[in-house]
Amino acid sequence: EPEVTQTPSHQVTQMGQEVILRCVPISNHLYFYWYRQILGQKVEFLVSFYNNEISEKSEIFDDQFSVERPDGSNFTLKIRSTKLEDSAMYFCASSGTGKSSYNEQFFGPGTRLTVL
Amino acid sequence: AQSVTQPDIHITVSEGASLELRCNYSYGATPYLFWYVQSPGQGLQLLLKYFSGDTLVQGIKGFEAEFKRSQSSFNLRKPSVHWSDAAEYFCAVGDHSNTGNQFYFGTGTSLTVIP
Repeated sequence: EPEVTQTPSHQVTQMGQEVILRCVPISNHLYFYWYRQILGQKVEFLVSFYNNEISEKSEIFDDQFSVERPDGSNFTLKIRSTKLEDSAMYFCASSGTGKSSYNEQFFGPGTRLTVL
Repeated sequence: AQSVTQPDIHITVSEGASLELRCNYSYGATPYLFWYVQSPGQGLQLLLKYFSGDTLVQGIKGFEAEFKRSQSSFNLRKPSVHWSDAAEYFCAVGDHSNTGNQFYFGTGTSLTVIP
């Protein structure tokens, strides 16, 4: 069964450093998403991506964040200068095989980011 | 604005007992509703979803949920809980009003199952 994969499973970084979280969505999906979950809190939407551009982003997704689909398979989230409050679990998701249809989002296992 | 409320932060049930987890949503149109389960250190696994049609939907692991438009609710139920059901449960509404298709999650309900 196809699944969304994410690497690494755990990333530890120093405050101010850049991190790139990687995701491989399900191969025939067209919509891609990033969410984050601060420990003990709810899952929060960060950004959605379709047709090589951002469809929607939340207030959390400020200038420190960027997303990219560098090739036909990877979808990345970059945090330019990490802050302590960026420590969270980051989930990638993908959905949809057609622009006009709404499909469920399939979530990856997450990357736990720890900023020291 | 779209939102999801899960009133119960933590629920404890005995193994074999029935379970109902509450979810209320706020959404302007017909909602797309989902329940996900998250085991410790794991990702989100879809239990079931509602898009349209029959308001009682069946999911995996013996779970079901009922969409009640009049109450803006989508409560999750299971007739007999197993110890392996102990996990965090999240209700979500999908916003299909724009191309973003973002999900709004509730704060989750933590389920403890006692022998």
